[in-house]
Amino acid sequence: AQSVTQLDSHVSVSEGTPVLLRCNYSSSYSPSLFWYVQHPNKGLQLLLKYTSAATLVKGINGFEAEFKKSETSFHLTKPSAHMSDAAEYFCVVSDRTSYDKVIFGPGTSLSVIP
Amino acid sequence: GAVVSQHPSWVICKSGTSVKIECRSLDFQATTMFWYRQFPKQSLMLMATSNEGSKATYEQGVEKDKFLINHASLTLSTLTVTSAHPEDSSFYICSARQRGPSSYNEQFFGPGTRLTVL
Repeated sequence: AQSVTQLDSHVSVSEGTPVLLRCNYSSSYSPSLFWYVQHPNKGLQLLLKYTSAATLVKGINGFEAEFKKSETSFHLTKPSAHMSDAAEYFCVVSDRTSYDKVIFGPGTSLSVIP
Repeated sequence: GAVVSQHPSWVICKSGTSVKIECRSLDFQATTMFWYRQFPKQSLMLMATSNEGSKATYEQGVEKDKFLINHASLTLSTLTVTSAHPEDSSFYICSARQRGPSSYNEQFFGPGTRLTVL
């Protein structure tokens, strides 16, 4: 069965400093992995996705994530946080056993301090 | 491309009434649509999966007679909350999967509908 763990429920960084949001997954088969961002009272926006191509995935707004199979991780990073990055971030996993379903992680709330 | 809309974006209703929420894929055909519910400060929880022209598949613990799902066309799915109660107040989000071969099950999400039951 698939599962997603986001190790930090809340992360706080200063503006201009690096961001690291951690995600670990469990999947029996080659997974597809996604990161979504959700601003307050808004829908989900796809930041980036891993689909068995390059292990280092670049997304929008300067975010990137690296798929590490040996560590079953897909951590999200950004070199320099911006105030507008403050939001909820969800790591999502899917594989071919899921019959179209995706599994959401519990989310990480990112705060950016001016 | 791959835009999904929801209507209404927010709705307030009285307890005991029914509310219908629409989910549309605007620029693609969606063989499968999903309905999620999100309570404050929580993650998205899948409620049901609907395939065009067939009955929806509900997740464990979701009452199918209370949350009626219809997926009558490849671009429209509706969720009707029947006899709504205050505990049904939540943020409802739909998503759609594009028709055709899918190598990675990407879903495109709507903007969500905020339901408040008084």
